[in-house]
Amino acid sequence: AQSVTQLGSHVSVSEGALVLLRCNYSSSVPPYLFWYVQYPNQGLQLLLKYTTGATLVKGINGFEAEFKKSETSFHLTKPSAHMSDAAEYFCAVSERKFYFGTGTSLTVIP
Amino acid sequence: KAGVTQTPRYLIKTRGQQVTLSCSPISGHRSVSWYQQTPGQGLQFLFEYFSETQRNKGNFPGRFSGRQFSNSRSEMNVSTLELGDSALYLCASSYQTGRDTEAFFGQGTRLTVV
Repeated sequence: AQSVTQLGSHVSVSEGALVLLRCNYSSSVPPYLFWYVQYPNQGLQLLLKYTTGATLVKGINGFEAEFKKSETSFHLTKPSAHMSDAAEYFCAVSERKFYFGTGTSLTVIP
Repeated sequence: KAGVTQTPRYLIKTRGQQVTLSCSPISGHRSVSWYQQTPGQGLQFLFEYFSETQRNKGNFPGRFSGRQFSNSRSEMNVSTLELGDSALYLCASSYQTGRDTEAFFGQGTRLTVV
């Protein structure tokens, strides 16, 4: 069975600070992992995905995530937060459908 | 290239009524999936259609149904609406089915049941 746990439903960072959003997964097969972002009253936009190959994945808007099999993690990071990064972030594992985490709301403090 | 289009964006319905939501996928995409998003339950999978066939179904009651047309456009229908059906309904389209396939989401239809 597939599942995703996102630790921290709310994360606040100062503008320019490191962003770290945590995601742990459970999967009975090699996981395909995704991060999506949702802005208010919008749908989900793909930030990045891991399927196979390089474990450090770079995405849009300066985000990246590292797949760590030993830790069953796929944490999302960005070196320097921008005000425009304030949004809801969802980690997901794919198994013919997406299993989403409960989301992390990111607040960026000016 | 146009994105995924969902209509209408907002709906208000009364308990017991039925509602139909529409989704036009990205041109060339043959897979359409539907998700329900609520504050309490998060994002939950409803069903997936590929080439007019339902390929996968989530754990929702039979009041929730869907279909896909030959042009890949999809509709979902909810009958006998309940207050708990109030949610953001998201449609996602993909070029194909598969675990590594990226899904492109529409802006959603916000359904309010009163």
